[in-house]
Amino acid sequence: KAGVTQTPRYLIKTRGQQVTLSCSPISGHRSVSWYQQTPGQGLQFLFEYFSETQRNKGNFPGRFSGRQFSNSRSEMNVSTLELGDSALYLCASSLGTSYSLANKNIQYFGAGTRLSVL
Amino acid sequence: KQEVTQIPAALSVPEGENLVLNCSFTDSAIYNLQWFRQDPGKGLTSLLLIQSSQREQTSGRLNASLDKSSGRSTLYIAASQPGDSATYLCAVAPNNAGNMLTFGGGTRLMVKP
Repeated sequence: KAGVTQTPRYLIKTRGQQVTLSCSPISGHRSVSWYQQTPGQGLQFLFEYFSETQRNKGNFPGRFSGRQFSNSRSEMNVSTLELGDSALYLCASSLGTSYSLANKNIQYFGAGTRLSVL
Repeated sequence: KQEVTQIPAALSVPEGENLVLNCSFTDSAIYNLQWFRQDPGKGLTSLLLIQSSQREQTSGRLNASLDKSSGRSTLYIAASQPGDSATYLCAVAPNNAGNMLTFGGGTRLMVKP
C-alpha cells in the first residue's frame, strides 16, 4: 500500500508570492491534517480535513488555507508569503473518526515539502 | 491551552543501554497520546498510540506508558541500537478532536556503537 505522498518535495519562493502544496493520503484514509515544522516553534497544527470539510483549524493567519477533494487528496495554499513561512510542511492521513477501530487515529505522515521563502 | 514538554532535549547513550524518554502535558483531558520518530529531513513515523483509557502499549523493544492524572508519559527503549538514533516526539490529541495533535519539542537521541 502506498504511503502518504507530498509534492513537491522542495520549493523556493520569494516574499509576496503564493504557493500550493499537495498531499495524497493513504488509500481509504478520509482524514488529512497539515502541520508546519520550524526549528523555533517545532511542529504546529495547521488544519484538518475530513470528507471534504475542514474539521479543525490551528492558530495561523488567514493567509494559510486548504481544501480536500472528493478522493481525499488535499491541498494547502499560502498567499502573500513571508520569510517566516519558511518551514517543513507535513501532511498526515488517518482513517478518521467514522471508524470504531482502535487504530483509527494513528496518523501516517508524508516526507514533507520544504519551503524556502527568500 | 495544552502544552507538551519533553525532557531531555537531547540524549547520547552507548549501544545496548536501556533508556527512558519523558513527556509531560498540562491538560489531562486528552483523547490519546502518540509517540513518533523522525529521522533527519524526513517525515514522522508513528511508534505507539495510547488511548486515554489505556495505561501502556508495547511494540517490540518499545514500551510507552500513560498516567493521565499526572499528565505524564514515558517511552522506554530496551537494548538501544545505533539505528534507534533519531528525534522522538510525543503528541496529544484533545478530547473533542481526535486528529488535532499538540506536539512536544522532541528528544534527539544518539546511540553510539
